[in-house]
Amino acid sequence: QQPVQSPQAVILREGEDAVINCSSSKALYSVHWYRQKHGEAPVFLMILLKGGEQKGHEKISASFNEKKQQSSLYLTASQLSYSGTYFCGFVGGSARQLTFGSGTQLTVLP
Amino acid sequence: NAGVTQTPKFQVLKTGQSMTLQCAQDMNHNSMYWYRQDPGMGLRLIYYSASEGTTDKGEVPNGYNVSRLNKREFSLRLESAAPSQTSVYFCASSSQGMGDTQYFGPGTRLTVL
Repeated sequence: QQPVQSPQAVILREGEDAVINCSSSKALYSVHWYRQKHGEAPVFLMILLKGGEQKGHEKISASFNEKKQQSSLYLTASQLSYSGTYFCGFVGGSARQLTFGSGTQLTVLP
Repeated sequence: NAGVTQTPKFQVLKTGQSMTLQCAQDMNHNSMYWYRQDPGMGLRLIYYSASEGTTDKGEVPNGYNVSRLNKREFSLRLESAAPSQTSVYFCASSSQGMGDTQYFGPGTRLTVL
């Protein structure tokens, strides 16, 4: 079953913060975050394993609440280069396959 | 170091035609994947190969076949293309299985008329 991402789209001004949420109905082993710019391939941001540890990548960080089967991606002081579609992916269940959410389109305006 | 390469970049087929999408990686990765991406649907796994010599079905395998030719190459074949297979196809690879970082190729944009 596909992870549920919210919001579907968000528009920010440069320097503002954003949060993207992702939830699953099944027990999770790990959470993956990717960013895709228009017409390009998805690019890896980070992986979070069970344990709730928060990971960071520049001014982008994420958390993983395994009890609630949720993950959140935090973008602070957004830059123009952050624009793109963000996908969460979950590895869990019996199949242990990576299943992606439908994406959150982030637009950062000057 | 090219990473993951895919050919062709664009393809137009008529319903019923067949074609093979090629993928190669030069990172010495064990695992390779084929995804399709449709508007509003995110990436859906078609087939994957956890290691050389093995292949497994993903979420949407119907209408496709795959071949793991060697450690570097993983091809996707459409035997009889249908309009529902119009999509962007991405190949990816990772060092050790589904839980590892996946590196994506540039994609193949396929249109079936």
